[in-house]
Amino acid sequence: EIVLTQSPGTLSLSPGERATLSCRASQSVSNRYLAWYQQKPGQAPRLLIYDASSRATGIADRFSGSGSGTDFTLTISRLEPEDFAVYYCQQYGSSPLTFGGGTKVEIK
Amino acid sequence: QVQLQESGPGLVKPSETLSLTCTVSGGSISSYYWSWIRQTPGKGLEWIGYVYYSGTTNYNPSLKSRVSISIDTSKNQFSLRLSSVTAADTAVYFCARQGGYNYHFDYWGQGTLVTVSS
Repeated sequence: EIVLTQSPGTLSLSPGERATLSCRASQSVSNRYLAWYQQKPGQAPRLLIYDASSRATGIADRFSGSGSGTDFTLTISRLEPEDFAVYYCQQYGSSPLTFGGGTKVEIK
Repeated sequence: QVQLQESGPGLVKPSETLSLTCTVSGGSISSYYWSWIRQTPGKGLEWIGYVYYSGTTNYNPSLKSRVSISIDTSKNQFSLRLSSVTAADTAVYFCARQGGYNYHFDYWGQGTLVTVSS
């Protein structure tokens, strides 16, 4: 099983600042089959990025993903008020599918 | 727009079987993979397993001995059964779609809280 470790656990930033979230895998994620999701309280996760760097339909271009192998990054270039939420990475290259523990982006 | 909606009891007694159904609307259930995922404060998001429209299944080894996922294409529904539940199975259960094998989850249900308690 691929274990995904996200860091930091919590990121305290102000609107307009840049957010950099990390996701490290315990073994290589095949074909960059890694996604990022945003989750707000009481809601289901929402797909932001798939295949490590492709933005999902309707996702603002301030969200970008990068990385390969075992190290992946989600960057939010300028935080908007609606971006304060919890972010999860997930790999779908090998079974069982697994999620990271999440990074909470909170208002400083 | 594809929509998924979970339904089922919100309270299940210990040792009994948890049963949930996900109804898919706005699109066909065919040619996709349909998963169940649960979320707890302690373990975070955990993939339970998927069913392909053909009926092929794949389960998380951590739950495999207790899980069964089935599909009814005529009703555009798929279902989860989790047997011998304990308090540790208390969670928000989501259903979700994968566009294909080795695909991300592109559509999710809103989630339903299931509590295991006597």
